Formats: sequence, C-alpha cells, structure tokens
Amino acid sequence: QKEVEQDPGPLSVPEGAIVSLNCTYSNSAFQYFMWYRQYSRKGPELLMYTYSSGNKEDGRFTAQVDKSSKYISLFIRDSQPSDSATYLCAFCSNDYKLSFGAGTTVTVRA
Amino acid sequence: GAGVSQSPSNKVTEKGKDVELRCDPISGHTALYWYRQSLGQGLEFLIYFQGNSAPDKSGLPSDRFSAERTGGSVSTLTIQRTQQEDSAVYLCASSLVTFEAFFGQGTRLTVV
Repeated sequence: QKEVEQDPGPLSVPEGAIVSLNCTYSNSAFQYFMWYRQYSRKGPELLMYTYSSGNKEDGRFTAQVDKSSKYISLFIRDSQPSDSATYLCAFCSNDYKLSFGAGTTVTVRA
Repeated sequence: GAGVSQSPSNKVTEKGKDVELRCDPISGHTALYWYRQSLGQGLEFLIYFQGNSAPDKSGLPSDRFSAERTGGSVSTLTIQRTQQEDSAVYLCASSLVTFEAFFGQGTRLTVV
C-alpha cells in the first residue's frame, strides 16, 4: 500500500462548478496536511495547510481533513479558468520530509 | 532573489555523461530540499539540508547521485553516468517552516 493515494483524474469542469479533490494516507504520524498547486512547467506552490481535523476555508478554497478516516479533500468553489492546474496533496510528520500524492490535473472550461 | 532559482531550465545529455544541476534558495532559508518528479508520478524525495547538520541523503536512488550545499546557500545536485531512467524534472525547494516549502521551476533533464 502506498503511503499516499490521490484520485488520479484528470478532471474537466465548466467554469463556476465545484471541484472536489481527494487523497488518502496510511501514515498515522502525519501531522500537517497540505495542498500544493502546480501550473504547467512551474514548481509547486503551497495553497493551503492545516494540522487538525475539520474544515479550513480560504476564499474559494476549503481544505477538509478527517484524521480518523485518514482522508483529506480540497474543494474549489466557483471555479475559474485560472484554477486550471495540477493539485498535489502533501503530508508531513514531525520530521521534515514532505510526502506527496501523484497529483490531479484540473481543467476549468470557460 | 525573490524566489528559488534553478539552472539550467532544460538539459539534454547523452547517456553516460555527468550533469550538474544548480539551486539558489531564498536568502535566509536554512532548509533546502531536492525532489524528482517523473511523468504521472508524485514528487520523490532525494535529499535534505538543514543548516550545518549532516544532510539526509536517504532518498538518493543510487551512488551515481550526490549533492552539496556550499556556505549554507547554493546547492548542486550531480548525477554521474546518466541513464535514461534519470530523465525527469528535478525540483529544488527551500523553507524556514518545515511544511511551507518554496519550489523553484525545476530543471527538466532528458537523457538520450
């Protein structure tokens, strides 16, 4: 079993739709839960992070963590063409290594 | 600089040649990471530097791979006797806070 599994996609949605992205993990030591966004030919950039179960909102983005089920999600409301990118879930325990999902490519059609 | 800078952006090399990839981290960031990203794969951890501590080299895939960080700043990743399976995007990141890594644009390595 992989340490991190991410829904592979790709996803194609019309502008204004809600995008739902999901990852599961197996390492109980993970304490930080992150979402990175990666545009084509660019490096990943941190979008959101959280360290507790529950929801965290930032504008149109909501990160959800369920530690009991080892499941995290990212929701994008009112999606825009500029949201078209690859989204990577990432995890970190007490050490410094970031463990990444394989990424889900999202295309928002105008 | 304002962000993490990597050079070259693209590198095409012949199988068996050595290559050097360079990373200039954000000024003041004490931690530096190298990751490898292959098509359709997640980011694979290679090596981690933190201040003057011994680096964590546990992710280096073989002894053909090595990395240095001079003066706590610039880092070089060296791949000797390159193989076709080394073809990937090599990403460097630096950070102050463990989980908030700032990535460069990467070096796209193609071994022919």
